[in-house]
Amino acid sequence: QQQVKQSPQSLIVQKGGIPIINCAYENTAFDYFPWYQQFPGKGPALLIAIRPDVSEKKEGRFTISFNKSAKQFSLHIMDSQPGDSATYFCAAGRNDYKLSFGAGTTVTVRA
Amino acid sequence: EAGVAQSPRYKIIEKRQSVAFWCNPISGHATLYWYQQILGQGPKLLIQFQNNGVVDDSQLPKDRFSAERLKGVDSTLKIQPAKLEDSAVYLCASSLGPASTDTQYFGPGTRLTVL
Repeated sequence: QQQVKQSPQSLIVQKGGIPIINCAYENTAFDYFPWYQQFPGKGPALLIAIRPDVSEKKEGRFTISFNKSAKQFSLHIMDSQPGDSATYFCAAGRNDYKLSFGAGTTVTVRA
Repeated sequence: EAGVAQSPRYKIIEKRQSVAFWCNPISGHATLYWYQQILGQGPKLLIQFQNNGVVDDSQLPKDRFSAERLKGVDSTLKIQPAKLEDSAVYLCASSLGPASTDTQYFGPGTRLTVL
């Protein structure tokens, strides 16, 4: 059972563009929503995370938007750079329950 | 600070053979995870240890997969016998605590190909 649905599967943007990745979840008990970044041949690394008590969180060029009523959250990469080319995974969890990961989005930023 | 170490990085075996993966977590991390990442999918938790005890192994195919974490540090994951559908990257991660809000640090993974 896929608890977190992620889209699109892949996307390509030009340098400076804003790739947007969307995720939706079903379990309203989830209260922690991290995003992981994975480069080829490497393990995922935590990029940014949000709790449902805020609607937006920014860290550098990465922004999470959260819509609790719609049970959706998204990642925006502002002023994207070729070095941002990677696979991004959203996830959802709560303190006493394992993280459920989305299927991943491969982002390619062309120079 | 050293990260999560895994070995081997790559393994190719025939179906019905056995294979073992090793993981050394970040020093001081009490919680250790094994994930299976099939191509094009997100990581799926196989087993979670807290020190040397199992917290969650609900998605571990126990007829063929086994894992242990002796002395609460290193861990091994074994598959015996392997099937074609076990081809995947096996990721080890560790965290200070067992909550999903505790940041998990992933190793580079072991890419398993079953022929």
